[in-house]
Amino acid sequence: EPEVTQTPSHQVTQMGQEVILRCVPISNHLYFYWYRQILGQKVEFLVSFYNNEISEKSEIFDDQFSVERPDGSNFTLKIRSTKLEDSAMYFCASSRTSGESPQFFGPGTRLTVL
Amino acid sequence: SQQGEEDPQALSIQEGENATMNCSYKTSINNLQWYRQNSGRGLVHLILIRSNEREKHSGRLRVTLDTSKKSSSLLITASRAADTASYFCARGPGAQKLVFGQGTRLTINP
Repeated sequence: EPEVTQTPSHQVTQMGQEVILRCVPISNHLYFYWYRQILGQKVEFLVSFYNNEISEKSEIFDDQFSVERPDGSNFTLKIRSTKLEDSAMYFCASSRTSGESPQFFGPGTRLTVL
Repeated sequence: SQQGEEDPQALSIQEGENATMNCSYKTSINNLQWYRQNSGRGLVHLILIRSNEREKHSGRLRVTLDTSKKSSSLLITASRAADTASYFCARGPGAQKLVFGQGTRLTINP
């Protein structure tokens, strides 16, 4: 069964450094998402992406964040200058269509900012 | 808050019993989805129920939706130890983003 994959599974970085989190969505899916979950808190929506552009983003997704689909398979989340409070589990998800189809999540990347 | 809120926050039952979790929300929805998360792992999609549906089944799972009460419930029948996880409802207020609740932590005791 196809699944969303994410790399790395765990990323440790120093405050102020740039990180890129990578995701490979399910191949016939058209919509891509990033969510994050700070330890002990709710899963929060960051951004959705369709047709090579951001379709919706949350207040969390400020200028420090960017997303890209550099080729036909990868979907990346970049944090330009990490802060301590960016430490969280970051989940990529994809869906075949918007609205009426389920979103399938990857296993997550645990980002630790020191 | 627009978020779905699950009730109870924690539930502990004996293996073989049924587990019922509830979810309430405040604004209109297109659909409501239930997810499972094992400790420290990713989210596994369980069921999507559309706003014009009242009940949906998948194996041992049964989801109901009452849009007049803005609530949904997830029933797991004949629970197993492997069902131990956190369960979240996530509503789609619009086309794309999902809004998650705090979750119900379910523990199945052998």
